[in-house]
Amino acid sequence: DIVMTQSPDSLAVSLGERATINCKSSQSVLYSSNNKNYLAWYQQKPGQPPKLLIYWASTRESGVPDRFSGSGSGTDFTLTISSLQAEDVAVYYCQQYIIPRNTFGQGTKLEIK
Amino acid sequence: QLQLQESGPGLVKPSETLSLTCTVSGGSISSSSYYWGWIRQPPGKGLEWIGSIYYSGSTYYNPSLKSRVTISVDTSKNQFSLKLSSVTAADTAVYYCARQKLLGFFDIWGQGTMVTVSS
Repeated sequence: DIVMTQSPDSLAVSLGERATINCKSSQSVLYSSNNKNYLAWYQQKPGQPPKLLIYWASTRESGVPDRFSGSGSGTDFTLTISSLQAEDVAVYYCQQYIIPRNTFGQGTKLEIK
Repeated sequence: QLQLQESGPGLVKPSETLSLTCTVSGGSISSSSYYWGWIRQPPGKGLEWIGSIYYSGSTYYNPSLKSRVTISVDTSKNQFSLKLSSVTAADTAVYYCARQKLLGFFDIWGQGTMVTVSS
């Protein structure tokens, strides 16, 4: 299994400030043949299903605000919210999909300070 | 706009089989670009992939659940289904169905259905 570890487990950020969530994989999720990182990010608000934000580590899903960005390669990845809005309060998950047995991180809870 | 909707019993007795169906509307389940997956989330916990199926019937399962899981597809009804046998309280969770880009990321999710295992 590829274990995905997120940090921190929870995070409180002031409105308008930057929020940064990290995700580390136990093995590289970079596929050398196409130079793509098989890493996605999701946002889950209370009582709702997860929503895809980012795939291929840095490609924003259609309709996702551009304050959300993804970066990183290999085993270390970051989700950044450039200017936190009240509606961004949620739990965020990373997911690797380089192998069919895809796995998720444990989640990072983002709150307003 | 493609939508997915889970359906099935909300309460299952221990040792019995959990059965859920996901109905796809607004698009065809027979798309060559997608798998269709089941993911679960125990109360207050994270996400666990259960398994995925292609419209042809090809399946991939989480090895930790493989001995108890069967996923099937009915293209005539635009549905796919999950069966999880010999359930215990540890199987209590919200079960989601989702569209999966070729065994990759999940881009469209159902609203989820809560299944409680209890006598």
